[in-house]
Amino acid sequence: DVKVTQSSRYLVKRTGEKVFLECVQDMDHENMFWYRQDPGLGLRLIYFSYDVKMKEKGDIPEGYSVSREKKERFSLILESASTNQTSMYLCASSLEGALYEQYFGPGTRLTVT
Amino acid sequence: GENVEQHPSTLSVQEGDSAVIKCTYSDSASNYFPWYKQELGKGPQLIIDIRSNVGEKKDQRIAVTLNKTAKHFSLHITETQPEDSAVYFCAANFGRALTFGSGTRLQVQP
Repeated sequence: DVKVTQSSRYLVKRTGEKVFLECVQDMDHENMFWYRQDPGLGLRLIYFSYDVKMKEKGDIPEGYSVSREKKERFSLILESASTNQTSMYLCASSLEGALYEQYFGPGTRLTVT
Repeated sequence: GENVEQHPSTLSVQEGDSAVIKCTYSDSASNYFPWYKQELGKGPQLIIDIRSNVGEKKDQRIAVTLNKTAKHFSLHITETQPEDSAVYFCAANFGRALTFGSGTRLQVQP
């Protein structure tokens, strides 16, 4: 079974803090993704990575950055958290030859106060 | 960019009835259309997908239909059961990414 794990299920941070969300997958997948999920908006792509040290912007990259130093790990960074970044964050991964068949982690619900 | 519209946003059915969720997409170059199911407290899980070279695909009680000319596709669940209660998302590929619909909350009443 593909396993995608996220470092925290719930996280509460203060405005202006630097926040790290970690994602690890154990299936040697080349592609990894970060989405945010908001009611009525579905899933929106923040960043994705198709190889170590490679990254591409998704639809809503503003206010976020990412890091992929190892194949199995993809980190989402909020340089200076703001209240409008309160959301559910979902990590996903997929094989190189099956870009769109994505496996999701359980999500991290981030609250910025 | 790609736009995927999904309807309805909520759907309530009686156990044993059928449920239909519809999506439309904007990019005629899209050729892969997955459906994801998200149960409470979990991440979305791929349940079925369809590619543009077929018009229908079935997997037990679940089926997906695609009309490329009209740029819409639908999820059909027959003989619904309480465990089908979840949020369902459609998606379409756009370049190297998926664009998701806004989701449908399906409630199956016992």
